[in-house]
Amino acid sequence: AQKITQTQPGMFVQEKEAVTLDCTYDTSDQSYGLFWYKQPSSGEMIFLIYQGSYDEQNATEGRYSLNFQKARKSANLVISASQLGDSAMYFCAMRASGAGSYQLTFGKGTKLSVIP
Amino acid sequence: EPEVTQTPSHQVTQMGQEVILRCVPISNHLYFYWYRQILGQKVEFLVSFYNNEISEKSEIFDDQFSVERPDGSNFTLKIRSTKLEDSAMYFCASSGVPGLAGEETQYFGPGTRLLVL
Repeated sequence: AQKITQTQPGMFVQEKEAVTLDCTYDTSDQSYGLFWYKQPSSGEMIFLIYQGSYDEQNATEGRYSLNFQKARKSANLVISASQLGDSAMYFCAMRASGAGSYQLTFGKGTKLSVIP
Repeated sequence: EPEVTQTPSHQVTQMGQEVILRCVPISNHLYFYWYRQILGQKVEFLVSFYNNEISEKSEIFDDQFSVERPDGSNFTLKIRSTKLEDSAMYFCASSGVPGLAGEETQYFGPGTRLLVL
């Protein structure tokens, strides 16, 4: 079974600083996808960034980058130059391909608060 | 930019009543999903749907739940006899082909907040 662990229930970061949100995963599959989603207080789930297990380069999307360390089974999200609008819950998720399974397994999330 | 839409945004119902939650996936996506999030908890998978049939379902998705694609655009989740513990945010999502880089990202709708009294 797949498992996602986010060990930081809450994080604080100063505006304009960078912050790293941790995510470790557990799977026996060789092919899998890793995702980060942002959930503001309004409740919607906003896709941020994706990393495929066979991608050799770390994914980047604007101010978001994914620090993918396959041997350590970690997929940390790095947000550079934090903005007040980055305050939200952040969820790490994994899609594993075992037996035709396409569901996403989510972690418990990290609540990020950006301080002015 | 294409997006997943969901209606209603909020629904209040009495225990034992039937509810239907509606979703319009992104038009060129082929895979559809329902997830739920109980307040303060993580997002949980309910069911995936492809080619007009369920491809996978979780233990949560029991006989009280059903999904349907009644036409070319809508995707619905029906809860036949709601229970108090069904109160949650329900998210619809859609994707291209899972396992295919650039297509497998699941895009979520804004959710339907269901409250069962």
